[in-house]
Amino acid sequence: DAKTTQPNSMESNEEEPVHLPCNHSTISGTDYIHWYRQLPSQGPEYVIHGLTSNVNNRMASLAIAEDRKSSTLILHRATLRDAAVYYCILTLSNFGNEKLTFGTGTRLTIIP
Amino acid sequence: DGGITQSPKYLFRKEGQNVTLSCEQNLNHDAMYWYRQDPGQGLRLIYYSQIVNDFQKGDIAEGYSVSREKKESFPLTVTSAQKNPTAFYLCASSIGQGARYGYTFGSGTRLTVV
Repeated sequence: DAKTTQPNSMESNEEEPVHLPCNHSTISGTDYIHWYRQLPSQGPEYVIHGLTSNVNNRMASLAIAEDRKSSTLILHRATLRDAAVYYCILTLSNFGNEKLTFGTGTRLTIIP
Repeated sequence: DGGITQSPKYLFRKEGQNVTLSCEQNLNHDAMYWYRQDPGQGLRLIYYSQIVNDFQKGDIAEGYSVSREKKESFPLTVTSAQKNPTAFYLCASSIGQGARYGYTFGSGTRLTVV
């Protein structure tokens, strides 16, 4: 399985943008890039996902490098509710081999 | 609101007992999954089901069993054969291929062996 590398922790000030990096140098052409976040003792929450093009939704933006070997999750204006562990995950697009392999993620701390 | 409901939130099991974790979704999703999360670790896939009456083993299926008799329900039984069942269990669902459309997770069940 292709692996992802994320910083263990990051801090950001409230109401400022946050850029969470993810390296996935062994990504294959059929891997989607997903981001989820998780609070303690809760299930992961879907944030955003994409394949090749940059993606925007109401929660965040996903910037994917042209060679797809890295991506960045962008929270445009961090709030205290954004403090969580963020996971960058690669998933294959074919059934029968579909699973999410979560690493240790990035623990994001928001400073009031 | 649509979502996934897992119950109970906390479960205590005695050695040698089987216990069943409930997972219900009203999202009309075809696929459902069970994951296990241990402290400080990522998720590991136990079982998944693409359609009713069909399911496949994941990476750590030994000591677990599932059924998929209804589209909205995917219960997980932790049997006495599972040697280290204490963990946080997460159920997820997706419209068809989750890789293409994303996954929705439940709030989890924390199982403790006493």
